[in-house]
Amino acid sequence: DAGVTQSPTHLIKTRGQHVTLRCSPISGHKSVSWYQQVLGQGPQFIFQYYEKEERGRGNFPDRFSARQFPNYSSELNVNALLLGDSALYLCASRRDRDRDYEQYFGPGTRLTVT
Amino acid sequence: AQSVTQLDSQVPVFEEAPVELRCNYSSSVSVYLFWYVQYPNQGLQLLLKYLSGSTLVESINGFEAEFNKSQTSFHLRKPSVHISDTAEYFCAVSGAAGGTSYGKLTFGQGTILTVHP
Repeated sequence: DAGVTQSPTHLIKTRGQHVTLRCSPISGHKSVSWYQQVLGQGPQFIFQYYEKEERGRGNFPDRFSARQFPNYSSELNVNALLLGDSALYLCASRRDRDRDYEQYFGPGTRLTVT
Repeated sequence: AQSVTQLDSQVPVFEEAPVELRCNYSSSVSVYLFWYVQYPNQGLQLLLKYLSGSTLVESINGFEAEFNKSQTSFHLRKPSVHISDTAEYFCAVSGAAGGTSYGKLTFGQGTILTVHP
């Protein structure tokens, strides 16, 4: 089976712009989570989605939003980009939100804001 | 709230030497504990986990970690490292099943393990 896939791999944006990152979970996985990993730091939780509903949100401003589609893929949107949004954005999927602890991570999208 | 502290940002070691990567956590609820490994330009891979039961957990490639509830630690060890173990290692915690923080991973800052020949 294919693993978690993310697109694009790399992205360069200018301050103030908007960006959309995409994630396709492992087939059969219904839960998707997003994490931000700033260079030199551990990943930080942004969102968790299950069955198209938001089931958790980290300490991120409202400029960050996400959604999950009927096929369980997900998008992360960031508005009004700041230099500090430059990071590796990781998507992780799980089979079931409540009964499956293991999250499988994708390779990430590296966002650079100039 | 939960937090994770990895006490060493970088650990250099020679091949075939033992290594310990230290991790302490803080939580007011029951937790699950994890170690993830990240190779350059790749995502995170689960190395091992503690959910319940035996406090000593092992991975298939020779790593082990011991959950110490009284010291709130989950240190990672390997008796003999290889060049291929060079990577960044992250300790993480999530709330146990049934809790509001279940599935939400809180990571430490990471420890870069460099194995020299």
